[in-house]
Amino acid sequence: DGGITQSPKYLFRKEGQNVTLSCEQNLNHDAMYWYRQDPGQGLRLIYYSQIVNDFQKGDIAEGYSVSREKKESFPLTVTSAQKNPTAFYLCASNPTQGYTEAFFGQGTRLTVV
Amino acid sequence: AQSVTQPDIHITVSEGASLELRCNYSYGATPYLFWYVQSPGQGLQLLLKYFSGDTLVQGIKGFEAEFKRSQSSFNLRKPSVHWSDAAEYFCAVILVNSGGSNYKLTFGKGTLLTVNP
Repeated sequence: DGGITQSPKYLFRKEGQNVTLSCEQNLNHDAMYWYRQDPGQGLRLIYYSQIVNDFQKGDIAEGYSVSREKKESFPLTVTSAQKNPTAFYLCASNPTQGYTEAFFGQGTRLTVV
Repeated sequence: AQSVTQPDIHITVSEGASLELRCNYSYGATPYLFWYVQSPGQGLQLLLKYFSGDTLVQGIKGFEAEFKRSQSSFNLRKPSVHWSDAAEYFCAVILVNSGGSNYKLTFGKGTLLTVNP
């Protein structure tokens, strides 16, 4: 089945450690996105990529990094510079052309202790 | 600045009552418009979308939305709410650049729907 897979579903890390969240899609979509969700804040865009080896900062990129070495994969690293990393992270993808919506993974809940 | 606004943070309705969730956008051109629904701890599911044409669009689970260009609005409606509709609802837009490429999917802050029995 085609879709977006985020792993792991739950992730615990100690403060000061970097952590990488995985996002893989087999929908052949060019564009991929990372969002952070906090209660009452909606979905805030961290990074997005429209093509392999290229990505742009979203609204809250500080303390995060991404790579897009393959079309199918768009991993997000939460660095120790991110002051409040505990949140729910959602990955999405869509084609860059045509009339279609974005598809979402099931999310990763990151807790930093 | 380009934005999506959902004015209602939390709405409570009784089961069987009608529902309208508001969404306003601020963009220079007509964007692609979407409504998504999210259950706790889950990803987002698409309810409906608008790209062009008929301004009243039908979605899944009995939802519909109407695009009003003059008001820059895309409000979500349902004639009779079921208890299973309790969830968080997000309005979203995708900008289309001059080259016809989609980019920067942007969301409102969401409206939490509570359904009373």
